[in-house]
Amino acid sequence: DAKTTQPNSMESNEEEPVHLPCNHSTISGTDYIHWYRQLPSQGPEYVIHGLTSNVNNRMASLAIAEDRKSSTLILHRATLRDAAVYYCILRDANRDDKIIFGKGTRLHILP
Amino acid sequence: DSGVTQTPKHLITATGQRVTLRCSPRSGDLSVYWYQQSLDQGLQFLIHYYNGEERAKGNILERFSAQQFPDLHSELNLSSLELGDSALYFCASSVSSAANTGELFFGEGSRLTVL
Repeated sequence: DAKTTQPNSMESNEEEPVHLPCNHSTISGTDYIHWYRQLPSQGPEYVIHGLTSNVNNRMASLAIAEDRKSSTLILHRATLRDAAVYYCILRDANRDDKIIFGKGTRLHILP
Repeated sequence: DSGVTQTPKHLITATGQRVTLRCSPRSGDLSVYWYQQSLDQGLQFLIHYYNGEERAKGNILERFSAQQFPDLHSELNLSSLELGDSALYFCASSVSSAANTGELFFGEGSRLTVL
């Protein structure tokens, strides 16, 4: 299974942008990069995904490196509600029966 | 509300017992995934079903089993329970297993405590 590496934890100030990094040096050409987040006492929720190009949605932006070996989830203006564990995962378009999550990054937002 | 329903929300039982966790996926979703999350641990993939068929197994113990029924709901059976089985068990559903479109929708989890 392709693996991702994320920092265990990060801190950011409220109302500032947050850049959450993810390394996936063994990514294959058919792997999609997905991000989920898990708020306290809740199940994970989908945030965003992409293949090669940068992606934007109402929740966040995903910046994908040109060689695709790393990506960054960008929260443009963090709020206290964004404090959560953020998971970066790879999903193979050709063989996607297992969806493996790591331990993710615990994001702390400082008021 | 993700549309995925898990029951029971909380369950306390004793070692050696057997429990069944139930998951009702979102209407129309064919894929069901089960995950285990122990204290301060990430999500451990257990098993994936698609339209009634087992598609993949993760590090699921032999004491655990699952199935997906014709109405697409799924059950995770945990037997001969041990203290270490205490965890949150999440179910997620997806309309497909396609990586480019198959967003996962998670339930709120079933918290199992084994005493």
